[in-house]
Amino acid sequence: AQSVTQLDSHVSVSEGTPVLLRCNYSSSYSPSLFWYVQHPNKGLQLLLKYTSAATLVKGINGFEAEFKKSETSFHLTKPSAHMSDAAEYFCVVKDNAGGFKTIFGAGTRLFVKA
Amino acid sequence: KAGVTQTPRYLIKTRGQQVTLSCSPISGHRSVSWYQQTPGQGLQFLFEYFSETQRNKGNFPGRFSGRQFSNSRSEMNVSTLELGDSALYLCASSPGRPNTEAFFGQGTRLTVV
Repeated sequence: AQSVTQLDSHVSVSEGTPVLLRCNYSSSYSPSLFWYVQHPNKGLQLLLKYTSAATLVKGINGFEAEFKKSETSFHLTKPSAHMSDAAEYFCVVKDNAGGFKTIFGAGTRLFVKA
Repeated sequence: KAGVTQTPRYLIKTRGQQVTLSCSPISGHRSVSWYQQTPGQGLQFLFEYFSETQRNKGNFPGRFSGRQFSNSRSEMNVSTLELGDSALYLCASSPGRPNTEAFFGQGTRLTVV
């Protein structure tokens, strides 16, 4: 069965410092993995996706994530936080066999201090 | 290419009423999924339609139903509304194939009073 665990419900960083949002997953099949961002009262926007190609994936706005199969992790990072990065981030796993079921993590709220 | 369009954006209903929400997916996308988002429960999957057939279903009561039309547009219906149904309802469209991502609409904010 699939599952996604975002290890931190809240993360607070100072502007200009690195961001690390942690995600562990489990999947019975070869999954696709995604990170989405949601700003207040908005829909979700795709940041990046992993689909069994390169394990280091670059996304929009300077974010990247590394797929580590041995650790079943897909952590999201950014070298330098910006105030506009303050939002909620969702790690998502999609089953690529069977019913293409998509599972969302509980979300991590990122706060950026000036 | 136009994005995912959800209508209406905001809605206020009374307990016991029913409501229908609409979602127009990106042109060419055959899969439409619906999610409920609340502060307490987070983002919860309702159901997914692919080519007019329900392909996946979450753990919601039968009051929540949906359908998809031949042009891939989808509607979601909630009957006998309860206060706890107040939420942001998000629709996502995708091609429905392996390794493809979903694109989300702005959501419909439903308030039940």
